[in-house]
Amino acid sequence: GENVEQHPSTLSVQEGDSAVIKCTYSDSASNYFPWYKQELGKRPQLIIDIRSNVGEKKDQRIAVTLNKTAKHFSLHITETQPEDSAVYFCAASNAGNMLTFGGGTRLMVKP
Amino acid sequence: DAGVTQSPTHLIKTRGQQVTLRCSPKSGHDTVSWYQQALGQGPQFIFQYYEEEERQRGNFPDRFSGHQFPNYSSELNVNALLLGDSALYLCASSLGTGLPNEKLFFGSGTQLSVL
Repeated sequence: GENVEQHPSTLSVQEGDSAVIKCTYSDSASNYFPWYKQELGKRPQLIIDIRSNVGEKKDQRIAVTLNKTAKHFSLHITETQPEDSAVYFCAASNAGNMLTFGGGTRLMVKP
Repeated sequence: DAGVTQSPTHLIKTRGQQVTLRCSPKSGHDTVSWYQQALGQGPQFIFQYYEEEERQRGNFPDRFSGHQFPNYSSELNVNALLLGDSALYLCASSLGTGLPNEKLFFGSGTQLSVL
């Protein structure tokens, strides 16, 4: 089955800096890659997603890139703010809605 | 527009007991998936229900079973609870158009503690 590795497990940045989280996946058939943000005690919220026919997608301060050949994808957050502090999960899917999640990255943005 | 709702929010059980968790999908959604999230880990797929049938299943034992009702709401049942079943159980809904990879929307989860 699919295996998703996520790095780093924790990331601390200064407010205004950029943050990058990287994920690799094992199943070359995977074609959908969402990112979720989960604040403490709250539900995971979809923040951005990308499909395999697209190499990059942007939404304001958030961008995701996908390299299908290397089987890795990354989340980029620019101009970080304290409210960006949360746990971020990447995921991959190749059929239906069965998502395989990475282990998560705890992002801490210091004011 | 109501999002995904789950009940109860918290539950404490003892080993060997049985538990039922409930989920109402987002308005307009007809597919419900269940995930288990252990502390400090990413969610793991348990199974998915569409048209009242289990459509996909992850690597979970038969102690985990589910049901979907005609109004698209769903239940997750876990029998013979083990300490290791302690986790946050998340329900996610989506629109089962038959197209792959429709966006998933999660509920806030049920925190299950097994003592």
